[in-house]
Amino acid sequence: QVTLKESGPVLVKPTETLTLTCTVSGFSLSESRVGISWIRQPPGKALEWLAHIFSSDGKSFNTSLNSRLAISKDTSKSQVVLTVTNMDPVDTATYFCARVVVGVFNNNYYYVMDIWGQGTTVTVSS
Amino acid sequence: SDELTQPPSVSVSPGQTARITCSGDALPKQYASWYQQKPGLAPILLIHKDTERPSTTPERFSGSSSGTAVTLTIRGVQAEDEADYYCQSADRSGVYVLFGGGTKLTVL
Repeated sequence: QVTLKESGPVLVKPTETLTLTCTVSGFSLSESRVGISWIRQPPGKALEWLAHIFSSDGKSFNTSLNSRLAISKDTSKSQVVLTVTNMDPVDTATYFCARVVVGVFNNNYYYVMDIWGQGTTVTVSS
Repeated sequence: SDELTQPPSVSVSPGQTARITCSGDALPKQYASWYQQKPGLAPILLIHKDTERPSTTPERFSGSSSGTAVTLTIRGVQAEDEADYYCQSADRSGVYVLFGGGTKLTVL
């Protein structure tokens, strides 16, 4: 059974760095065409993709937060870590990690988040 | 920049058919997925590669694609289908992931 679980602080202060961990089970972070994506959702608002990392160590980041994000993985621990620097109250959100499967089919690219973690809520406040 | 556009809300009576459309310039080149999210829960995958339904998705949910738009159709809507629905794809370069703004489906 594939599962993902997010962990990290519930409360951070403005200007601090947020570190979140996604621990996975039921699959390996070394599998080809498989990656982990981070997505967040402010209260009452839409989903926002943040970043992803693949087994090849390839990474991409949301351009609007690019300079504040970092992502890494520890395959032996089955963990992916996201850091967000210089946190602000507008970063208050539920943060999700999801398994991603990618590929090309009929000359078109697909990117599918097939399994999601339950999410972890982070509040930014002094 | 590439974006995905969805209507903010759709309302339908039980047993009727609901259609939610997502439009974006990248969609002819990138497949789309649809996710359902109920309050307080994580999203779940409903449709991928525009039209493919995982085994866990009820048959009343289907996806279609035409040009720069994809559509999620729910036939015989049930009260339990009331939720937020998000389309997702990638930009034309395939580097960045896009979500639509979400559509709140209300079952009257």
